[in-house]
Amino acid sequence: RKEVEQDPGPFNVPEGATVAFNCTYSNSASQSFFWYRQDCRKEPKLLMSVYSSGNEDGRFTAQLNRASQYISLLIRDSKLSDSATYLCVVNTITGSARQLTFGSGTQLTVLP
Amino acid sequence: DTGVSQDPRHKITKRGQNVTFRCDPISEHNRLYWYRQTLGQGPEFLTYFQNEAQLEKSRLLSDRFSAERPKGSFSTLEIQRTEQGDSAMYLCASSFHLGLSEQYFGPGTRLTVT
Repeated sequence: RKEVEQDPGPFNVPEGATVAFNCTYSNSASQSFFWYRQDCRKEPKLLMSVYSSGNEDGRFTAQLNRASQYISLLIRDSKLSDSATYLCVVNTITGSARQLTFGSGTQLTVLP
Repeated sequence: DTGVSQDPRHKITKRGQNVTFRCDPISEHNRLYWYRQTLGQGPEFLTYFQNEAQLEKSRLLSDRFSAERPKGSFSTLEIQRTEQGDSAMYLCASSFHLGLSEQYFGPGTRLTVT
């Protein structure tokens, strides 16, 4: 079983649609959680951190359920520029070592 | 440009050759990470430095892979006796040492082993 699992998609949605991505992680000791965005042939960039209380950044809302080991990302009023791969990321600290584990990513295409 | 830089951006090599990649992190960052990414997958963690100390290297893919950060600034990743399966994008990232700081990625080095 992968440490971080995501639905690979692709998700093809019209402009203005609401789309939700889900992610599960297997290591219950994981301590912090993120969504990264990766455009085609580019490096990943942090989209937002994910907090247990849920957090919102404009059109983007992230949720974390530690009991279920489940993370979600909701994009409202999607724009053409939201087309990218969205990577669910889990940070685990073991002693002095820290490690980001990435999911395989969910591909989103927003259509005009 | 004060972001993470990587060199070269592309490398084509023949199977069996050694290759070395360089990463220059953001200057204030003392943590540096190496990842490998293959098509359709997320980045896969390889190793991590805090200053010059390599704190995690158990995820290096084989003993053909090694990384250094001798002065706590730039880092190199070497792959010896390359194999076709080593073809991938090699990403470097850096962050501050405090807490669980955001990692900033470089543009990557795309390796093709023929």
